[in-house]
Amino acid sequence: NAGVMQNPRHLVRRRGQEARLRCSPMKGHSHVYWYRQLPEEGLKFMVYLQKENIIDESGMPKERFSAEFPKEGPSILRIQQVVRGDSAAYFCASSPGTTSNEQFFGPGTRLTVL
Amino acid sequence: QQQVKQSPQSLIVQKGGISIINCAYENTAFDYFPWYQQFPGKGPALLIAIRPDVSEKKEGRFTISFNKSAKQFSLHIMDSQPGDSATYFCAAILLNSGGYQKVTFGIGTKLQVIP
Repeated sequence: NAGVMQNPRHLVRRRGQEARLRCSPMKGHSHVYWYRQLPEEGLKFMVYLQKENIIDESGMPKERFSAEFPKEGPSILRIQQVVRGDSAAYFCASSPGTTSNEQFFGPGTRLTVL
Repeated sequence: QQQVKQSPQSLIVQKGGISIINCAYENTAFDYFPWYQQFPGKGPALLIAIRPDVSEKKEGRFTISFNKSAKQFSLHIMDSQPGDSATYFCAAILLNSGGYQKVTFGIGTKLQVIP
């Protein structure tokens, strides 16, 4: 059973470009969480999604950031017009939602904005 | 506002020694207190967790001590090994309806176990 998969693992963008981060949850998991980890800091919650629904986006910056989890395919975290302060590791976690509340984390995408 | 305060930020322990990491929280509504272990280049992985109605939980060499009145909890790693070298995060979770768990992480402790 494959774990949570994220791609790309490393992403380099220039200021003003768009970044798209993908997360494939574990098989059978319908809940996805996105977190951001700045250097030397803990993980900060960004958004929680179920299939086709955003449930809680209270941790997401109001501008330039968006997330989706379509009926088919991976969850996408999209950052438009990236700035240097967006450089961080972005982690996705998934959970089954009903039988267990444990979140399983992916290996992360390290975004570097030049 | 940092709801979960973790210390120390870095820790060096001799092999065979005891590693102790402390956390304090503010919100008494938290339902669940996990510890995560993160190796470089990997995502965090759940190590051990405790509910607030329990004062101690032990799994192998890892023990959580929980003090509800002081709103503090700690991780003890007995007989620390070089393979335990990693970053450890404490966390506090609010359980909501529908299986939604909102996790607040501490800042992390970088543990190095030297031979």
